[in-house]
Amino acid sequence: GAGVSQSPSNKVTEKGKDVELRCDPISGHTALYWYRQSLGQGLEFLIYFQGNSAPDKSGLPSDRFSAERTGGSVSTLTIQRTQQEDSAVYLCASSNLPGRGRYEQYFGPGTRLTVT
Amino acid sequence: QQQVKQSPQSLIVQKGGIPIINCAYENTAFDYFPWYQQFPGKGPALLIAIRPDVSEKKEGRFTISFNKSAKQFSLHIMDSQPGDSATYFCAASIGETSGSRLTFGEGTQLTVNP
Repeated sequence: GAGVSQSPSNKVTEKGKDVELRCDPISGHTALYWYRQSLGQGLEFLIYFQGNSAPDKSGLPSDRFSAERTGGSVSTLTIQRTQQEDSAVYLCASSNLPGRGRYEQYFGPGTRLTVT
Repeated sequence: QQQVKQSPQSLIVQKGGIPIINCAYENTAFDYFPWYQQFPGKGPALLIAIRPDVSEKKEGRFTISFNKSAKQFSLHIMDSQPGDSATYFCAASIGETSGSRLTFGEGTQLTVNP
């Protein structure tokens, strides 16, 4: 079946602008995660959604970052007033938590964000 | 706080060699340890994973060795091929308590020469 998809694949924006990144998880997966991959910081957790529960936002680096998940499926990560240090690859993953194979997270191809 | 430490940062082997990548963790609550393989421009792909109730798991040419008392685990790639050249990440998570969010090591860039 289809894997995790993300759009856009690349985004170049000017400092101070807002950006929205989209993630479509694997169909049927109830858990959705956002991670950020940047030079010098490796892969870091940002936010986690599970069904209708309140999201775990503990990894968001500042209040300029927010995310929502509509209808238990598609998720959007929004970065307001982008800064150059926000430049990174933003990765989305989904899993079948709490079902079979629940610990296995499958990643999308990522969105490469460049803030100029 | 870096909870998962990975080494080496880079590794070069000849075709047929057995690269070994090591990870050490601090949090004894971790109970799931996956390895991911990432090619340039792609997202990480789940390679193999282990739970702490076993000391070794093998899938094809990939083997995880796990030492619970030492809080260490490692990835071995048997009969390595140039196509295995990629960045490898170890990770750890705490079951379902925190949604199985992954804590990653820093990554190892593996090059397998023909």
